[in-house]
Amino acid sequence: AQSVTQLGSHVSVSEGALVLLRCNYSSSVPPYLFWYVQYPNQGLQLLLKYTTGATLVKGINGFEAEFKKSETSFHLTKPSAHMSDAAEYFCAVSDYGGSQGNLIFGKGTKLSVKP
Amino acid sequence: DVKVTQSSRYLVKRTGEKVFLECVQDMDHENMFWYRQDPGLGLRLIYFSYDVKMKEKGDIPEGYSVSREKKERFSLILESASTNQTSMYLCASNLRTSGTLYEQYFGPGTRLTVT
Repeated sequence: AQSVTQLGSHVSVSEGALVLLRCNYSSSVPPYLFWYVQYPNQGLQLLLKYTTGATLVKGINGFEAEFKKSETSFHLTKPSAHMSDAAEYFCAVSDYGGSQGNLIFGKGTKLSVKP
Repeated sequence: DVKVTQSSRYLVKRTGEKVFLECVQDMDHENMFWYRQDPGLGLRLIYFSYDVKMKEKGDIPEGYSVSREKKERFSLILESASTNQTSMYLCASNLRTSGTLYEQYFGPGTRLTVT
C-alpha cells in the first residue's frame, strides 16, 4: 500500500531564504506524486506533479520538486521565500490500491515566513 | 476553469442534528470524494463515488453516509452529529488525464462545528 511521510509539521524560514519541505513516499509501483498548497480557509491547489520522465518538476509560484527513486523522496524547494508562501503544504501519492484516482496525503507541513 | 463548490463555508450545528454538506462540480467529472481534514492528521478519505448512485467507503466512513443522485452533486450526511465530527470537510472531483493518471480538484471546504 502507498503511504506518504512529511518530515516536520512546522517549518519556519526568513523571507528570501531557501524553502525545503521534505516528503518521502512508499509505493510498490512507480508512483505519481503531487504537492498541494492550502492557504488559510481555502481548499487545496495543485502546485506540481511528477508522473514520468524528467525527475525535476517545476510548478507554480517558483516551486520545484525532485523525484529521487533511490531515496523514495519528492522534496519541495523554492530558492527564495516570499511572505505570500506562508501556507500549509501537502505531499500526496496516487492510491493504486484504491480506485478512481484517489490520493493518499501526508499530514502536511505548515510553512511560516518571517520578515 | 473547473469549479468545485461547497454549499457552506462555515456551519455550526448541535449534537444529534442531521447535517447535510453539499458539493457540486461543473465539469462532468465521474469521480467525487469527501475528505476530512484535522490538524496533524492531514486529509482522510471518508467516501467516494465513481458514478451516480455508486459509492465506496474510504478510510473513516463511520458516522457518515453519502448520496449521489446526480452526476454533478455529491452530498455528505451526518445522521446524528457529534462533537468529534467538528472538522474541516473538503470535497473533490477528478478527471482522468491519461491511463491511471487523474487530476484532482478541490472545493474551498466547509468548516463544521458541532456543539
